[in-house]
Amino acid sequence: QVQLVQSGAEVKKPGSSLKVSCKASGGTFGSSTIHWVRQAPGQGLEWMGKIMPIVDITNNAENFQGRVTITADKSTNTAYMELSSLRSEDTAMYFCARVPPAGADHDAFDIWGQGTMVTVSS
Amino acid sequence: DIQMTQSPSTLSASVGDRVTITCRASQSIGSWLAWYQQKPGKAPKFLIYGASTLESGVPSRFSGSGSGTEFTLTISSLQPDDFATYYCQQYKSYPRTFGQGTKVEIK
Repeated sequence: QVQLVQSGAEVKKPGSSLKVSCKASGGTFGSSTIHWVRQAPGQGLEWMGKIMPIVDITNNAENFQGRVTITADKSTNTAYMELSSLRSEDTAMYFCARVPPAGADHDAFDIWGQGTMVTVSS
Repeated sequence: DIQMTQSPSTLSASVGDRVTITCRASQSIGSWLAWYQQKPGKAPKFLIYGASTLESGVPSRFSGSGSGTEFTLTISSLQPDDFATYYCQQYKSYPRTFGQGTKVEIK
């Protein structure tokens, strides 16, 4: 069974950039899609964007006004989420999550990474 | 964007109680709805897809129903491990959107 393992917690300054990794362990991405979801402290879940690593097709949430870049390295089965121009409101837990390949029974998030806590503070 | 609205926001219940959470979509999403359970400091856990199909390994006390714009998640007999926050999520269109969550707490 594939697991998603994310990089560790980070503390960032306002205005800087962040890059979080999400590596498939015990398997490969195959033709699945990797999504990024964040959760501010005490708040709900917010979708940020996705990538289908096999073809490098991405789709990002308009809410982030071009600050989000999602990439993937097929050779290492690792996806990355980069968020630029950080502000205090970006303080959150960031999750990657898998949607199974086309042809599966659903397009929901069936496997999640453990989360990466990001704190933006001067 | 499709707005997802859950009710109630918080629910106080006892072990053994039957619990129902409602999720409403701002437009029809057919059965393209999933439910997740989240405990503090942990990633969400996938419970249900297609509005009513249990993911493998999820206890049968969980059930989902509904289609179109109104959906429910029911826990038939609440267990100690079920005290958590539950989220619905539509996967009919982008951006993917979640309900604001329903916290099930001990009465």
